[in-house]
Amino acid sequence: SYELTQPPSVSVSPGQTARITCSGDALPQEYAYWYQQKPGQAPVLVINKDSERPSGIPERFSGSSSGTTVTLTISGVQAEDEADYYCQSGGSSDTFVHFGGGTKLTVL
Amino acid sequence: QVQLQESGPGLVKPSQTLSLTCTVSGGSFNSVGYYWTWIRQHPGKGLEWIGSIYYSGSTYYNPALKSRVFISVDRSKNQFSLKVSSVTAADTAVFYCARHFERDGMDAWGQGTTVTVSS
Repeated sequence: SYELTQPPSVSVSPGQTARITCSGDALPQEYAYWYQQKPGQAPVLVINKDSERPSGIPERFSGSSSGTTVTLTISGVQAEDEADYYCQSGGSSDTFVHFGGGTKLTVL
Repeated sequence: QVQLQESGPGLVKPSQTLSLTCTVSGGSFNSVGYYWTWIRQHPGKGLEWIGSIYYSGSTYYNPALKSRVFISVDRSKNQFSLKVSSVTAADTAVFYCARHFERDGMDAWGQGTTVTVSS
């Protein structure tokens, strides 16, 4: 079955740049999306269609795509960014929804 | 601003059918192009897509769950529903409903509801 692979954890100090990757064979053909989930809360869309930032999402969040890997970059990480981050692909009539396993971002 | 709210029993016995409803308020439920989706999260684990229903009524299910899952819509009540049959303890999870438009990401989620499968 198709999988999206994320690192289980990423740690950065405040003010540094965090990069979280997501790899999948279908990513060159499908958009990727990124969600932030804090404990006890529903996920929030932080990156749409590989690199679009939804309204209300801080500019320090950005997304990029290269081949079979997409990357969520958080520049100038703040303590409030500590959360689990999930990538997702698919979701239209011709592609099923797939989620990555999630990455726990720890702000040291 | 659209809002989604899950509702249903928090406790289901093994072998029974789990039934949840998502009520959508604030518009868009009958709008062209929207997918209405169920997602679950096992305790301490990641997100798992269960299935989606398109505005047209077409349904799409996770192949791993397809034999036990049914998603339907009640347009008169702005609701869509999930049924999972023959549940076991492995179906214990937080269930979320969410929406997305065509190839956009899921921009609106319910707060989630916890369902425990236990006798």
